Amino acid sequence: EDQVTQSPEALRLQEGESSSLNCSYTVSGLRGLFWYRQDPGKGPEFLFTLYSAGEEKEKERLKATLTKKESFLHITAPKPEDSATYLCAVQGKGGANSKLTFGKGITLSVRP
Amino acid sequence: ETGVTQSPTHLIKTRGQQVTLRCSSQSGHNTVSWYQQALGQGPQFIFQYYREEENGRGNFPPRFSGLQFPNYSSELNVNALELDDSALYLCASSLQGVDGYTFGSGTRLTVV
Repeated sequence: EDQVTQSPEALRLQEGESSSLNCSYTVSGLRGLFWYRQDPGKGPEFLFTLYSAGEEKEKERLKATLTKKESFLHITAPKPEDSATYLCAVQGKGGANSKLTFGKGITLSVRP
Repeated sequence: ETGVTQSPTHLIKTRGQQVTLRCSSQSGHNTVSWYQQALGQGPQFIFQYYREEENGRGNFPPRFSGLQFPNYSSELNVNALELDDSALYLCASSLQGVDGYTFGSGTRLTVV
């Protein structure tokens, strides 16, 4: 069974203080690893898809990286508007469907 | 290009009642998945529909059922509501279940 563990559960940063969010996973054949941002009471907003170890993707202050066992979401010089819950999900190659298995998320708070 | 639209946004039901939630998929997407997100948790996969057929189901009882229509819109039906069914219900669409899923804003269901 696919599993995703995210750490830490919560992270408080000062504006401009860079950090990384961790996503550890086990999956029977990785089709893709996804990062989403979720604001309170809203649906997840797509950020990145990573498909193979060594792959990296960037978007503004965010950079996602992937190894065979984990993924990191690096946040450089965060701003208060980056405050949100960040969800990691994996999609395995096995089975007839292509469900996403999510972690519990990491709640990021950025203080001005 | 329209995104994923869900209705209603909020709903309060009494234990034992039945509820129907609706989802319009993103233009061009033919696969719809439903997820349940309890407070403080990551989304949990309920089931997925492709070409009007259910092609995958998570660990949810049969009182959770669904439909997909020819225009790829979808419904989630829950019978005999229980207090633990209170959650944010998310609909996600994709093209044949590959690449990133686009999520709607969700329906907040409260069972009293």
